[in-house]
Amino acid sequence: SQQGEEDPQALSIQEGENATMNCSYKTSINNLQWYRQNSGRGLVHLILIRSNEREKHSGRLRVTLDTSKKSSSLLITASRAADTASYFCATDAGSGAGSYQLTFGKGTKLSVIP
Amino acid sequence: DTAVSQTPKYLVTQMGNDKSIKCEQNLGHDTMYWYKQDSKKFLKIMFSYNNKELIINETVPNRFSPKSPDKAHLNLHINSLELGDSAVYFCASSQGQGPQWPQHFGDGTRLSIL
Repeated sequence: SQQGEEDPQALSIQEGENATMNCSYKTSINNLQWYRQNSGRGLVHLILIRSNEREKHSGRLRVTLDTSKKSSSLLITASRAADTASYFCATDAGSGAGSYQLTFGKGTKLSVIP
Repeated sequence: DTAVSQTPKYLVTQMGNDKSIKCEQNLGHDTMYWYKQDSKKFLKIMFSYNNKELIINETVPNRFSPKSPDKAHLNLHINSLELGDSAVYFCASSQGQGPQWPQHFGDGTRLSIL
């Protein structure tokens, strides 16, 4: 069953603006990952955040995790046209069934207009 | 020097045919995966192998049979193709077993059933 769910489904912004995408999940997790998928390409791993971490940075990316609300956000600062892609969160299922696999959400489609 | 490569990139075939998709990774990873991405971008795990042994086998019709001749290769054979098999199939690999490891994806095989 689907674990993570991204919000919004689609987001359109101007180049230079910040983009925020959210992910909500249902059961407790050990870690959460964010991936990017450019059109016609495979997914690319962006960042992994563990359940005992609250925030993580990588370049222009900032990920937060709130385990009490079962949600995570991905912030892309100073967006560029090259950031246009779909963004997915992926979670494990904590210690429960399926904990050996990642479960992906349906993604947020980000369009950055030059 | 592609990390995870899949062939073919496109596969168009008739209903009822049998086809194979090949995947190779040159990252030295122990674990490989097959995913199916439907038209709504929903990505679902099908199989996972660790050191040539099957560790995840989701509810997939037995017309789908993975084969791992060595830990660098994971091929997918599909018998008696059906219209509902039309999708993009992604191969991925990770250094270790479990959802705490980032996954590296190939660029996908777009399968279209006529």
